[in-house]
Amino acid sequence: DAKTTQPTSMDCAEGRAANLPCNHSTISGNEYVYWYRQIHSQGPQYIIHGLKNNETNEMASLIITEDRKSSTLILPHATLRDTAVYYCIVPPGSARQLTFGSGTQLTVLP
Amino acid sequence: ETGVTQSPTHLIKTRGQQVTLRCSSQSGHNTVSWYQQALGQGPQFIFQYYREEENGRGNFPPRFSGLQFPNYSSELNVNALELDDSALYLCASSLTSGVGETQYFGPGTRLLVL
Repeated sequence: DAKTTQPTSMDCAEGRAANLPCNHSTISGNEYVYWYRQIHSQGPQYIIHGLKNNETNEMASLIITEDRKSSTLILPHATLRDTAVYYCIVPPGSARQLTFGSGTQLTVLP
Repeated sequence: ETGVTQSPTHLIKTRGQQVTLRCSSQSGHNTVSWYQQALGQGPQFIFQYYREEENGRGNFPPRFSGLQFPNYSSELNVNALELDDSALYLCASSLTSGVGETQYFGPGTRLLVL
């Protein structure tokens, strides 16, 4: 499995962009980067995923570096409801289970 | 809302008992994965079912077993419950298509073993 490294915690002011980094230096060429978040005591929520190109959807943008060794999840206008643990996951190409690390606790401050 | 439902939402059992948790997958999905999340930790993969067959298993003992039905819904069974089995049990459904898949999680079942 490609190991991911994320900061333990981050704060962000409400209305500002939240930029969450993730390092995955051992990623293989056919492995995707997935982002999920988990609000306290709820099931994880899928946010976005990508392979090489930057991706954007209604929730967030995903920026993947050209060498694919790191990525950044961007929440463009963070709200209090975005307070959650954010997980960056790189499932191995031949298997389908998600391996959750410790994630980043994002706290959006009023 | 992901369309993945789980029942029951909460459950209390005593040590040594058996429990069955249920999951209905999102419409169009053919794969169900189960995860265990202990308090303060990230979810841990238990196993996955695809076309009614186990399709991968994490580091869990045989007393954790499962089923997938023709309609792709699934059950997780845990025998001889231990105190450490107290956790949030999460079900995720996905469409296995050979291209890569995204798992969508249900709200979970919170199990307390006394």
